[in-house]
Amino acid sequence: DTAVSQTPKYLVTQMGNDKSIKCEQNLGHDTMYWYKQDSKKFLKIMFSYNNKELIINETVPNRFSPKSPDKAHLNLHINSLELGDSAVYFCASRRDRGRQETQYFGPGTRLLVL
Amino acid sequence: KQEVTQIPAALSVPEGENLVLNCSFTDSAIYNLQWFRQDPGKGLTSLLLIQSSQREQTSGRLNASLDKSSGRSTLYIAASQPGDSATYLCAVGEFGGTSYGKLTFGQGTILTVHP
Repeated sequence: DTAVSQTPKYLVTQMGNDKSIKCEQNLGHDTMYWYKQDSKKFLKIMFSYNNKELIINETVPNRFSPKSPDKAHLNLHINSLELGDSAVYFCASRRDRGRQETQYFGPGTRLLVL
Repeated sequence: KQEVTQIPAALSVPEGENLVLNCSFTDSAIYNLQWFRQDPGKGLTSLLLIQSSQREQTSGRLNASLDKSSGRSTLYIAASQPGDSATYLCAVGEFGGTSYGKLTFGQGTILTVHP
């Protein structure tokens, strides 16, 4: 069973379009994250939700809007896509039980904006 | 603002060699430090996690150390194998204020182990 899943795996779209990426975790974790990995493979956090509440919001254009309908899901909606949004987007989750808890990552969604 | 640096950026070694990957971070007020592995086109797999109060962790042929005061961590891989070829990422965990388990990543070390 996949612990953290993302859909779609690949997304090719035109500039200016609006798209969504979905993430689901079946681990019963409390906190979920979105990371962006750019063309140089640098991973950077974008958002985090804890029990459906936004707790981390890094400097991300407001074209990006996360939504957490419940604790197991964290979706990412992107408006007016730009060429620079092309990247791999990773979802992750973590259980809030202390310093020993790691984050579990999904397989990534490869977004290409043409 | 936390910054994480990994050295070297790439490493190519023959099979069987022992090797060390380095990671340094600028703010010692960390929650934990993790080493991940990323295979091409895949997600991240956690290898080792060192809590801020610990000095090292071991798993099989892997050993990771943490020196919080100097802002450094090393990942030691013993008897490397071609299957170890991947990108290795160091990530510092922060907790407190608005950090809430946020991971700050280094840029990674691309490891190639050739037969």
